[in-house]
Amino acid sequence: DAGVTQSPTHLIKTRGQQVTLRCSPKSGHDTVSWYQQALGQGPQFIFQYYEEEERQRGNFPDRFSGHQFPNYSSELNVNALLLGDSALYLCASSLLGVAVSAQHFGDGTRLSIL
Amino acid sequence: GDSVTQMEGPVTLSEEACLTINCTYTATGYPSLFWYVQYPGEGLQLLLKATKADDKGSNKGFEATYRKETTSFHLEKGSVQVSDSAVYFCALINNAGNMLTFGGGTRLMVKP
Repeated sequence: DAGVTQSPTHLIKTRGQQVTLRCSPKSGHDTVSWYQQALGQGPQFIFQYYEEEERQRGNFPDRFSGHQFPNYSSELNVNALLLGDSALYLCASSLLGVAVSAQHFGDGTRLSIL
Repeated sequence: GDSVTQMEGPVTLSEEACLTINCTYTATGYPSLFWYVQYPGEGLQLLLKATKADDKGSNKGFEATYRKETTSFHLEKGSVQVSDSAVYFCALINNAGNMLTFGGGTRLMVKP
């Protein structure tokens, strides 16, 4: 049973560029959440997608956008990259409607901005 | 808003020593509480969870008890191993069940 998979594992971009990160949820899960983890810090919630719509959003600018596809996979897009966007981006999947559904995390995409 | 505070690391212990990592939280309502572990170069793995007051979560020798009166969820293990070396994150999910709020993480280093 495949867990949460993310691609790519590493990415290097320059300021001002745009990036797309991808996530496939654990089999049977229908909800995808994205988190940003800066070096030495805890993950920060970016947003969550269910039924192809954004359900909730954290305190991130509009440069961060996302999408969920009918097969439940998801993309995170970041425009006009800043040096401060350098971080590990984690995708987590869960099953909505299940009481206290623990979120399962992928290994993340390490994004470095030069 | 919701927040989680955990003790700063690194915590350095010898093998077979006792471990306690403190975690306190601030949240409205009745959150569910979690401990996640992150090994080098990897994502987060759920270690244990508790969904209501006085619940005890346990896994792989680790345990934590949901204390509503002290708003705490301290992680404990009686005898640590070198393989337990990792970063540990305390987290909560609020009543809406949408987002995890994490503490800053505590790095544990266990020496042989």
